[in-house]
Amino acid sequence: QKEVEQNSGPLSVPEGAIASLNCTYSDRGSQSFFWYRQYSGKSPELIMSIYSNGDKEDGRFTAQLNKASQYVSLLIRDSQPSDSATYLCAVNHPGAQKLVFGQGTRLTINP
Amino acid sequence: NAGVMQNPRHLVRRRGQEARLRCSPMKGHSHVYWYRQLPEEGLKFMVYLQKENIIDESGMPKERFSAEFPKEGPSILRIQQVVRGDSAAYFCASSPEGGTPLHFGNGTRLTVT
Repeated sequence: QKEVEQNSGPLSVPEGAIASLNCTYSDRGSQSFFWYRQYSGKSPELIMSIYSNGDKEDGRFTAQLNKASQYVSLLIRDSQPSDSATYLCAVNHPGAQKLVFGQGTRLTINP
Repeated sequence: NAGVMQNPRHLVRRRGQEARLRCSPMKGHSHVYWYRQLPEEGLKFMVYLQKENIIDESGMPKERFSAEFPKEGPSILRIQQVVRGDSAAYFCASSPEGGTPLHFGNGTRLTVT
């Protein structure tokens, strides 16, 4: 079992709709969770972090965390073509100062 | 306030040559992390260093790869006798002591021909 799993996609969503990206993790000791956006050929860019159960909203982005289910998600409201990118879920490795990444979900927003 | 700086941005090496990748952390950060990203994959942790000390190298291949972070100057990731499978994007992140490395440099894209 991979430590952090994401659907690789591609995920296609029409412009203006809600894009929903999901991630599961295996280590119950994980405490910090991050979503990165990566455009093709570019470096990952941190867009959301979440540390406690529930929802965290920032503009059009909402991160959701459920530690009991070991599940974290990212919702993008009013999707724009500029949101087309690969989204990486990252989880801190308990007891170590490093992040473990999922393989990423490629998202395409169709105009 | 400069971010994490990596150079070169692109590096082409022939099989058997050596590749040296450099990373300068953000100002005030004393810890450096190297990650590798193969095409169509996520980032894989390689090594975590602080000045003059390797903290965690659990993700480093056992042979040909080494990393250092000297007292002065950037961190260096060194790949000896490169092979085609080393072709990837190599990203560096930094953090202050005890912090989580959240922000990455622009990466070095290594191509082995």
